[in-house]
Amino acid sequence: NAGVMQNPRHLVRRRGQEARLRCSPMKGHSHVYWYRQLPEEGLKFMVYLQKENIIDESGMPKERFSAEFPKEGPSILRIQQVVRGDSAAYFCASSSRASPMRYFGPGTRLLVL
Amino acid sequence: GQQVMQIPQYQHVQEGEDFTTYCNSSTTLSNIQWYKQRPGGHPVFLIQLVKSGEVKKQKRLTFQFGEAKKNSSLHITATQTTDVGTYFCAGPLTQGGSEKLVFGKGTKLTVNP
Repeated sequence: NAGVMQNPRHLVRRRGQEARLRCSPMKGHSHVYWYRQLPEEGLKFMVYLQKENIIDESGMPKERFSAEFPKEGPSILRIQQVVRGDSAAYFCASSSRASPMRYFGPGTRLLVL
Repeated sequence: GQQVMQIPQYQHVQEGEDFTTYCNSSTTLSNIQWYKQRPGGHPVFLIQLVKSGEVKKQKRLTFQFGEAKKNSSLHITATQTTDVGTYFCAGPLTQGGSEKLVFGKGTKLTVNP
């Protein structure tokens, strides 16, 4: 029973490039959440999605960031024109409708040079 | 907005000593969750507390939920090196019809063998 999967685990980008982070939720889970974590910091909520719907994107910067969870395939967090301040660990979590607990993936560590 | 605060931010103990981290919310919570993140790892769900005054135990870990459901604590008895990591509390925030988890900044525990 595979858990939440994220890829890539590590991603290096130069300023101005695009970063695409993928998340496959746990089997049977239809709710996906993205969090950002800076070193020595807590988890900051970014966006909450269900299949083909963005439910809450209040934590996501208005510019350069977008997220989707298509009917088929993984959820994607996309960061355009990355800047050094985007360097962080990005965690995806999933949950089932019935349970409030979050199952986290291993994260993608993004480094912007 | 709703805030979840944790203290202390860092705690260093000798192996065998006890450890406690405290979590306070600015609003009453319907439940509180605790997560552990090992160094370089991802958050892992530990427990959820729902009832006022609830106390739950997991081996050497004791979790409490305050009577007013605005604070919680995690106590580890006789720490071991395997307890090293950052412990986060998280409370649900319902906003605009969707629920998201608000995480505290965590307490980073280091254990000296």
